[in-house]
Amino acid sequence: DTGVSQDPRHKITKRGQNVTFRCDPISEHNRLYWYRQTLGQGPEFLTYFQNEAQLEKSRLLSDRFSAERPKGSFSTLEIQRTEQGDSAMYLCASSFGSLTDYEQYFGPGTRLTVT
Amino acid sequence: KNEVEQSPQNLTAQEGEFITINCSYSVGISALHWLQQHPGGGIVSLFMLSSGKKKHGRLIATINIQEKHSSLHITASHPRDSAVYICAVNSGGGADGLTFGKGTHLIIQP
Repeated sequence: DTGVSQDPRHKITKRGQNVTFRCDPISEHNRLYWYRQTLGQGPEFLTYFQNEAQLEKSRLLSDRFSAERPKGSFSTLEIQRTEQGDSAMYLCASSFGSLTDYEQYFGPGTRLTVT
Repeated sequence: KNEVEQSPQNLTAQEGEFITINCSYSVGISALHWLQQHPGGGIVSLFMLSSGKKKHGRLIATINIQEKHSSLHITASHPRDSAVYICAVNSGGGADGLTFGKGTHLIIQP
């Protein structure tokens, strides 16, 4: 397995456009997490899935954001009507998610720039 | 909501020096993670610990649950150790989303 992958790595879009990011977790991992990181700050939690179920969403995840994991494998994060404040690095991570093994493995991130 | 504080925010040291980065948190946790982030964004997990001490190569991580404090030490530092080091915690049962500190930007000069 090659680890967590994210696509695209970079995305430049104009304000008001919709964007969608994809995350492919490590294959045997049942938990998948989305985080957002702005310049000079630590990452912030957005949401996570156990298999296909979305178990928690942060208050940061406004109505313009939606995440899915339809078959419990890859996940997509969509931002509608993008705003300049959405410019950030969007990080995906996955974990095995058992009671004793929950170390998270991170993807390379998708850097979004909204102009 | 757990608050995670790291110190120092920035640290510049000479090659070979012993480095210490500190992390404190406000609410009881199930696990604490030390992560390394290089320019370009990739994050690598260094340690996950819930008690005591762990060692991997030149890196040592300790945690004091009673004092809600952890330290990351780097012995015989090298320029390739230059990166941002981030402390993060699981506040729930262990498999929930992480709460992160702002990171410590470390530069090791040759």
